[in-house]
Amino acid sequence: NAGVMQNPRHLVRRRGQEARLRCSPMKGHSHVYWYRQLPEEGLKFMVYLQKENIIDESGMPKERFSAEFPKEGPSILRIQQVVRGDSAAYFCASRGVSEQYFGPGTRLTVT
Amino acid sequence: GDSVTQMEGPVTLSEEAFLTINCTYTATGYPSLFWYVQYPGEGLQLLLKATKADDKGSNKGFEATYRKETTSFHLEKGSVQVSDSAVYFCALSVVTGTASKLTFGTGTRLQVTL
Repeated sequence: NAGVMQNPRHLVRRRGQEARLRCSPMKGHSHVYWYRQLPEEGLKFMVYLQKENIIDESGMPKERFSAEFPKEGPSILRIQQVVRGDSAAYFCASRGVSEQYFGPGTRLTVT
Repeated sequence: GDSVTQMEGPVTLSEEAFLTINCTYTATGYPSLFWYVQYPGEGLQLLLKATKADDKGSNKGFEATYRKETTSFHLEKGSVQVSDSAVYFCALSVVTGTASKLTFGTGTRLQVTL
């Protein structure tokens, strides 16, 4: 049973470009969470989605960030016009009944 | 709001030493408590969990007991190995409606030497 998959694992973008991060949850899971880990810090909640719905986006920056989880396909975290402060590791987690299972993360570097 | 406080690292121990990593929390509801481990360059793996007061979570020789009276969930291991070197995160989750986001501490880096 495949785990949570994220791609790309590493992403380099120049300031002002767009970053798209993908997350495929575990088979049968319909809940996806996105977290951000800044260097030397813990993970911070960003957004919680179910298929086609955003349930809780209280941790998302108000501008430039958006997330979706379509009926078909992976969940996408999109960052427009990236800035150096967006450099971080972005983790997604999927949940079945109770526990969250984490993917390996996407490390975004903004140059 | 909900928060988790962990002891700062790094923690450096010799192999076979006893490990304690302190974790305390504040929560608006009745949380479930977790310890996650992150090896270099990898995502987080659930190490153990406890869902109610006095529960003890255990896995791979690690243990933690849910202490509601002291709002703590300290991680312990009797004899650490070099392979335990990693960053350990304490976390809580309070179910509100259908949401159950995790709130993490800042992590404690453990380095075990021969």
